[in-house]
Amino acid sequence: DIQMTQSPTSLSASVGDRVTITCRASQSISNYLQWYQQKPGKAPKLLIYAASSLQSGVPSRFSGGGSGTDYTLTISSLQPEDFATYYCQQSYTTLWTFGQGTKVEFK
Amino acid sequence: QVQLQESGPGLVKPSETLSLTCTVSGGSISDYYWTWIRQSPGKGLDWIGYIYYSGSTNYNTNYNPSLKSRATISVDASKNQFSLKLRSVTAADTAVYYCAKGDHSGSWYGWIDPWGQGTLVTVSS
Repeated sequence: DIQMTQSPTSLSASVGDRVTITCRASQSISNYLQWYQQKPGKAPKLLIYAASSLQSGVPSRFSGGGSGTDYTLTISSLQPEDFATYYCQQSYTTLWTFGQGTKVEFK
Repeated sequence: QVQLQESGPGLVKPSETLSLTCTVSGGSISDYYWTWIRQSPGKGLDWIGYIYYSGSTNYNTNYNPSLKSRATISVDASKNQFSLKLRSVTAADTAVYYCAKGDHSGSWYGWIDPWGQGTLVTVSS
């Protein structure tokens, strides 16, 4: 299986901050990488697919990048509604896996 | 706009089989990766598996090996539904279970959207 490791596990930030979350795969996943946002008690929501493609309806302050084994999710200016947990997910192999999550908290 | 809704018992006894159904509305069940994911209380997302249904009797399934062959996902195209059966459950299988649509485009595949709202299944005697 491909293991996905996110960092940090949690972070504290303020409204307006630029926030970057990293996801590292245990082998190259050739941009088969997605990012999701989950708020308490809700289902996850797709933000980014294929490493850098913004899902329809998602604000442009969210962006994805990276290649090979290392990928990033960046929120250019954190908004109050962005405080949530973020997960990466790989689909390079037929066995999909998620990262452990990164919780973005209010500083 | 595709919508998904999980249904099934909220309480299952240890050693029994957990059975959930996901009803797909607003779109065809053909040519997508119909996926089950779970989330134990306070924990992260755990991919269970998917079924790729391409019509008639043509389908392909893949499962998380950590489930040790306990899971089976199937499709009922006539009802636009897909289902999960998880055998020999223990308390460790207590979780919110989500059904979702796995999408693809060209050579790209595997993004999961949309998701059902999730259903809590508790394993307890």
